[in-house]
Amino acid sequence: EIVLTQSPGTLSLSPGERATLSCRASQSVSSSYLAWYQQKFGQAPRLLIYGASSRATGIPDRFSGSGSGTDFILTISRLEPEDFAVYYCQQYGSSPWTFGQGTKVEIK
Amino acid sequence: QVQLRESGPGLVKPSQTLSLTCTVSGGSISSVGYYWSWIRQHPGKGLEWIGYIYYSGSTNNNPSLKSRVIISVDTSKNQFSLKLSSVTAADTAVYYCARVAIWSGYFDYWGQGTLVTVSS
Repeated sequence: EIVLTQSPGTLSLSPGERATLSCRASQSVSSSYLAWYQQKFGQAPRLLIYGASSRATGIPDRFSGSGSGTDFILTISRLEPEDFAVYYCQQYGSSPWTFGQGTKVEIK
Repeated sequence: QVQLRESGPGLVKPSQTLSLTCTVSGGSISSVGYYWSWIRQHPGKGLEWIGYIYYSGSTNNNPSLKSRVIISVDTSKNQFSLKLSSVTAADTAVYYCARVAIWSGYFDYWGQGTLVTVSS
């Protein structure tokens, strides 16, 4: 199975700053079948990005995804107070579908 | 707007079978083009895909759970279900149901999740 490793584990930033989250796969993710989710405490994950770079419906354009092969990035251009949460990447290029362990974006 | 809601016992004894149901509203579970999936999240940990089912009954499960998982569908009730047998404390988790488009593999609609604790 494909193992996804996210870094850093925790990102401490201030509102208005730029956040860059990394997701590295143990083998190439076919067709950039990589998604990103946001999860707030006590809530279900919310789909942000699919196909590595396509924003899901209703997701603000401050969220962007990039990458291919084994290296993927989620960028939040200017952090809003509601963006402090845990972010997960997920690959769906090969079964079993797998998730990264998450990156927590916390207020500095 | 599609909505999903998990239901089932919050406490299961070790060695018994965990049983959960996901009720879908705002859309038909028989819609062509969607899988219906289960995912779990151990306390304070990441996410683990369990498996999915199509309305026809075809399934795909995560090999990590081997033969302990059965996912079934009841189109008349617009529901699908999860059974996980021989549970241990390691199966304590929040269980989510979610929808997946068959041309993709990402989860676009999620239930709110339900905590299942395995304890005697």
